[in-house]
Amino acid sequence: QKEVEQDPGPLSVPEGAIVSLNCTYSNSAFQYFMWYRQYSRKGPELLMYTYSSGNKEDGRFTAQVDKSSKYISLFIRDSQPSDSATYLCAMSAGQTGANNLFFGTGTRLTVIP
Amino acid sequence: DAGVIQSPRHEVTEMGQEVTLRCKPISGHDYLFWYRQTMMRGLELLIYFNNNVPIDDSGMPEDRFSAKMPNASFSTLKIQPSEPRDSAVYFCASSFEGPSPQHFGDGTRLSIL
Repeated sequence: QKEVEQDPGPLSVPEGAIVSLNCTYSNSAFQYFMWYRQYSRKGPELLMYTYSSGNKEDGRFTAQVDKSSKYISLFIRDSQPSDSATYLCAMSAGQTGANNLFFGTGTRLTVIP
Repeated sequence: DAGVIQSPRHEVTEMGQEVTLRCKPISGHDYLFWYRQTMMRGLELLIYFNNNVPIDDSGMPEDRFSAKMPNASFSTLKIQPSEPRDSAVYFCASSFEGPSPQHFGDGTRLSIL
């Protein structure tokens, strides 16, 4: 079993839709959770960074972490064509000296105008 | 402020040739990571450095791969001799000490013919 599981999609939605992206994980030591956005031919760009359980909102983006279920989500409200990209979840146990991130395989999202 | 800078952006070379990829991390970051990304395997960590010292190279696929970090502002990943199966996008990332997110460069797209 992989440490982090993510549905690769692809996912196509009309402009203005609410998008839900999800990852599950198996390691209960993970405490730091990230979402990266990767445009074609670019590097992953940090979108959201959260610690432990709960919600974090930034503009149209909301990250949710449910540690009891080992499940994290990213919601995009009022999706725009510019949101079309691959979204990767990543997580870490965060011990000092061990900054390793465990990545999902990414979900490719297309927002249709 | 400049992000992680990688060069070259694209490299096409013939099998058997030596390939050198370069990375300049974000100033002040203590950690530097080299990743490889393919459609089949997603993002794979190859090696990471802390304060210029290699900490974990267990992800380096073979002895043909080597990495150095001679100072805090420069790192190289070398493949010698290169093989077609090394074709991938290679990313460099850097971060501060502790549970801080990694910041990625835009990658080197490597094609071995």
